[in-house]
Amino acid sequence: NSKVIQTPRYLVKGQGQKAKMRCIPEKGHPVVFWYQQNKNNEFKFLINFQNQEVLQQIDMTEKRFSAECPSNSPCSLEIQSSEAGDSALYLCASSLGGTGQLYFGEGSKLTVL
Amino acid sequence: AQSVTQPDARVTVSEGASLQLRCKYSYSATPYLFWYVQYPRQGLQLLLKYYSGDPVVQGVNSFEAEFSKSNSSFHLQKASVHWSDSAVYFCALSMHYNQGKLIFGQGTKLSIKP
Repeated sequence: NSKVIQTPRYLVKGQGQKAKMRCIPEKGHPVVFWYQQNKNNEFKFLINFQNQEVLQQIDMTEKRFSAECPSNSPCSLEIQSSEAGDSALYLCASSLGGTGQLYFGEGSKLTVL
Repeated sequence: AQSVTQPDARVTVSEGASLQLRCKYSYSATPYLFWYVQYPRQGLQLLLKYYSGDPVVQGVNSFEAEFSKSNSSFHLQKASVHWSDSAVYFCALSMHYNQGKLIFGQGTKLSIKP
């Protein structure tokens, strides 16, 4: 059973609407990752954090995607203005850092109508 | 650029038969390699991992994988599959310098015939 908790499991949005997903990493894991898995099973790394600081992120030049991992609160991934192409499974994972294995949540499946 | 290739998009085997799912990687140094399984409507679960040492690694549910540096491969094997092994399997690579970020293969969907 996954100890990385993602909510909501499913969300349905209209185009242009905001979509927000949350993730509680496994206890004691300082590193958090967000991946996007599309219907073709292609994974796209979005961003990772160590504690509250961004380690790496894709070029979010569109600025529609934002993420944060505040202390003592769940991490979150937000899409400001959803587009049909954003429909995907958004996976959160956490790790102890370094080359430690990633533990994945069950994902938040976003459908943009 | 680093990459992972799973050449078989779909594999079908009979229950009780042996299984091999193929994975090839491209990376100039020794990678860290993983196999994950994804059941319908679920996240990814780790089956096994290779960091160094013995090239044959054992995982959960009697899965094992063999790392081959010469062939740049990390094939997953199981001696006797069960219907519950039906799922999508992903091979993934991590490099020592990239904070554990994973590069995934395209996945292999495994179907088990009764």
